[in-house]
Amino acid sequence: EAGVTQSPTHLIKTRGQQATLRCSPISGHTSVYWYQQALGLGLQFLLWYDEGEERNRGNFPPRFSGRQFPNYSSELNVNALELEDSALYLCASSLATGSSGGYNEQFFGPGTRLTVL
Amino acid sequence: AQSVAQPEDQVNVAEGNPLTVKCTYSVSGNPYLFWYVQYPNRGLQFLLKYITGDNLVKGSYGFEAEFNKSQTSFHLKKPSALVSDSALYFCAVSTNTGGFKTIFGAGTRLFVKA
Repeated sequence: EAGVTQSPTHLIKTRGQQATLRCSPISGHTSVYWYQQALGLGLQFLLWYDEGEERNRGNFPPRFSGRQFPNYSSELNVNALELEDSALYLCASSLATGSSGGYNEQFFGPGTRLTVL
Repeated sequence: AQSVAQPEDQVNVAEGNPLTVKCTYSVSGNPYLFWYVQYPNRGLQFLLKYITGDNLVKGSYGFEAEFNKSQTSFHLKKPSALVSDSALYFCAVSTNTGGFKTIFGAGTRLFVKA
């Protein structure tokens, strides 16, 4: 069974540019999560998509946005890049979270390393 | 505020000795607790979870964790450490209060010395 895949592996941008990161979940998983892992800060929750809808977002500015496609793959867009956006961006997927919320473990991709110069 | 704390940045243990990686949490409502491990140059992997039931949860690679409601802790343990256990360990809690989210601790780096 294929795991969560992310592309690209590395992305180098300059300040003010836009970055697009992509994620394909495990087959059968409908929930996709995005996290930012900055050096020394652990994982910070960015966004959660389920069944094509944004269900919740973390404490990040609106220039962090995304979407989930009908095939459950997802895209994270970061506009007006700033130096502090440099980090590893992790995507995870899980079985449907549903109304009971949160008891399904998440499966993580290898991440996209974003460097903003 | 909802949070997860891993009080130790680093834990050092000799191979064959028992290990404990500590985690405490603060959330409203029922917590769903998880441990993940990040090996060098590899993605995060799920180790184990506590949802309900027996307070002692067994997971992958011989790890286990004990849920203590009164102390709001979920410490990760292993009776006999291996050098290959050296990695970065994250405790996480999922909560549906204020919208579903998963909160991760800052991580604890485990070094197992031969």
